[in-house]
Amino acid sequence: SQKIEQNSEALNIQEGKTATLTCNYTNYSPAYLQWYRQDPGRGPVFLLLIRENEKEKRKERLKVTFDTTLKQSLFHITASQPADSATYLCAPLARGNYGQNFVFGPGTRLSVLP
Amino acid sequence: DAGVIQSPRHEVTEMGQEVTLRCKPISGHNSLFWYRQTMMRGLELLIYFNNNVPIDDSGMPEDRFSAKMPNASFSTLKIQPSEPRDSAVYFCASSLGSSSYEQYFGPGTRLTVT
Repeated sequence: SQKIEQNSEALNIQEGKTATLTCNYTNYSPAYLQWYRQDPGRGPVFLLLIRENEKEKRKERLKVTFDTTLKQSLFHITASQPADSATYLCAPLARGNYGQNFVFGPGTRLSVLP
Repeated sequence: DAGVIQSPRHEVTEMGQEVTLRCKPISGHNSLFWYRQTMMRGLELLIYFNNNVPIDDSGMPEDRFSAKMPNASFSTLKIQPSEPRDSAVYFCASSLGSSSYEQYFGPGTRLTVT
């Protein structure tokens, strides 16, 4: 069965450093991979989508990589700020069967310390 | 844009009672999703509608759960009878449809069954 793992349940880093979050998946081959941010008491918010033929994608201080050989995506936040503290969820999406695709990882809770 | 609207935000009920959660998707979005989130199981997809038609309900845990979408601007998720293990945060999300994987989540309904 499909399995999605995200690195340590919680990650603490110092303000100004780069945070790197990992998403690993097994038993399927996603064509896309999404990252969402979730703040306490709120619903997830879409951040980025990367396609299987894209090695890297950037949006402001965010960078996502997608390695289909390693079955892994890395999510980087550069020059991190306390406001970046949240839980980050990855969602690898297989091609086709649109609705059934939305399976989320367990999330990594990031804390950026001032 | 009001975003996805869910009601109620909090619901406390006794075991055996019927619970109805409500969702208004973003206008113009063709796909609607119901999710459940718990600490143990993370974010799980329950059911997916496209153009008001249920496409995949394989995530619905059992017959006590039912969902409807009578029109493009309203959906309900009903639990009858409710049980303590149904306690969770229930999210509704909408998207433009199969042309877009970006989902917009509502604020969620926190359900507590005592």
